[in-house]
Amino acid sequence: SQQGEEDPQALSIQEGENATMNCSYKTSINNLQWYRQNSGRGLVHLILIRSNEREKHSGRLRVTLDTSKKSSSLLITASRAADTASYFCATDPTDSWGKLQFGAGTQVVVTP
Amino acid sequence: EAGVTQSPTHLIKTRGQQATLRCSPISGHTSVYWYQQALGLGLQFLLWYDEGEERNRGNFPPRFSGRQFPNYSSELNVNALELEDSALYLCASSFMTSGGTGDTQYFGPGTRLTVL
Repeated sequence: SQQGEEDPQALSIQEGENATMNCSYKTSINNLQWYRQNSGRGLVHLILIRSNEREKHSGRLRVTLDTSKKSSSLLITASRAADTASYFCATDPTDSWGKLQFGAGTQVVVTP
Repeated sequence: EAGVTQSPTHLIKTRGQQATLRCSPISGHTSVYWYQQALGLGLQFLLWYDEGEERNRGNFPPRFSGRQFPNYSSELNVNALELEDSALYLCASSFMTSGGTGDTQYFGPGTRLTVL
């Protein structure tokens, strides 16, 4: 079973625009991680935010975490065609070590 | 620094056969995780190994099993293959997950298993 849900399921934007996707989850977590997957290949780790953190930045990425609402958001600024991929949030639940639980993902298409 | 490697890239088997998938973690990582990504079912946690021991297991039948070797590489075995086992199998590695804080899991490119 999947822990989280991502919203939207799909997103189509033009180069230079910002892309925002949201993730909601159900149980208490140690951390939340965002990954990117290109065309059914391996997952690329983007950013990890711990349960005691509220916001984190990495290059063009900004992640927020609201544990009271059990939700997170990923913002990609000034998107590029190379950002076209599926993006997944994954939660590390406090009651089950090592077991990342993934959402269904958001498919992002960035057109030149 | 080399990332997580998996072999083979593709594997084709027939129903009832056994499949063996291999994973080498990033140097220094002691934990290895296996996930299944089947069409329509998303990414599902299979197994977690650390220091040669199975630490956690997902909701999969016993015909999914594995092991971790002294060099921290790992094998996933799937016995009595069924058509629905067709999926991308992803391996990840991390430093030991301890104290409930979790750590970043780095994924390999995956093995695509097709069961005919």
